[in-house]
Amino acid sequence: DAGITQSPRHKVTETGTPVTLRCHQTENHRYMYWYRQDPGHGLRLIHYSYGVKDTDKGEVSDGYSVSRSKTEDFLLTLESATSSQTSVYFCAISEARGDTQYFGPGTRLTVL
Amino acid sequence: AQTVTQSQPEMSVQEAETVTLSCTYDTSESDYYLFWYKQPPSRQMILVIRQEAYKQQNATENRFSVNFQKAAKSFSLKISDSQLGDAAMYFCAYSSYSGGGADGLTFGKGTHLIIQP
Repeated sequence: DAGITQSPRHKVTETGTPVTLRCHQTENHRYMYWYRQDPGHGLRLIHYSYGVKDTDKGEVSDGYSVSRSKTEDFLLTLESATSSQTSVYFCAISEARGDTQYFGPGTRLTVL
Repeated sequence: AQTVTQSQPEMSVQEAETVTLSCTYDTSESDYYLFWYKQPPSRQMILVIRQEAYKQQNATENRFSVNFQKAAKSFSLKISDSQLGDAAMYFCAYSSYSGGGADGLTFGKGTHLIIQP
């Protein structure tokens, strides 16, 4: 299994609170991704990174920001959490563009 | 933008039988990958099989095989000799490595596979 960890695994927070989710990889893969999974929607891309300090938006990026200061870490920040951001968040990594993506275990976030 | 459609929200099959999950996609690109991922109740996303669009030969992995029809933009997954451990959500996904759009996978909404003992 690819070495991908996510922290925290579960979080409950209140509306308006800032939240940061962390993805850490030990594979030295160039590409990292954040997805959210909601019932009836499958997984949708939030943001992705194609190198240190190189990031871009995905399909559902509003309300989210990301940072990547090291190859191994990719952070997802909700500046002011809303109830619509209650979801399961997955991090994924890949060696090259379009290539197979390997997923972390997911973080369940509940915004009250 | 690419789209992926899984028309079967739920499928049921008897243990040891064969089942086929459907997936169609829409794209204007010629270079891409297609994937099937499995998500058991543990929530972990597990790669089942991958197909490169430039390859005419259908990918196989043990009991799992695909029927890739590029012209029809169809990518179905066949599971032979179904086992109880195959029960899961199955997602079809698309990625491009040559287009100008955003990187990342485009997923279908999933098919819930039930295995009847």
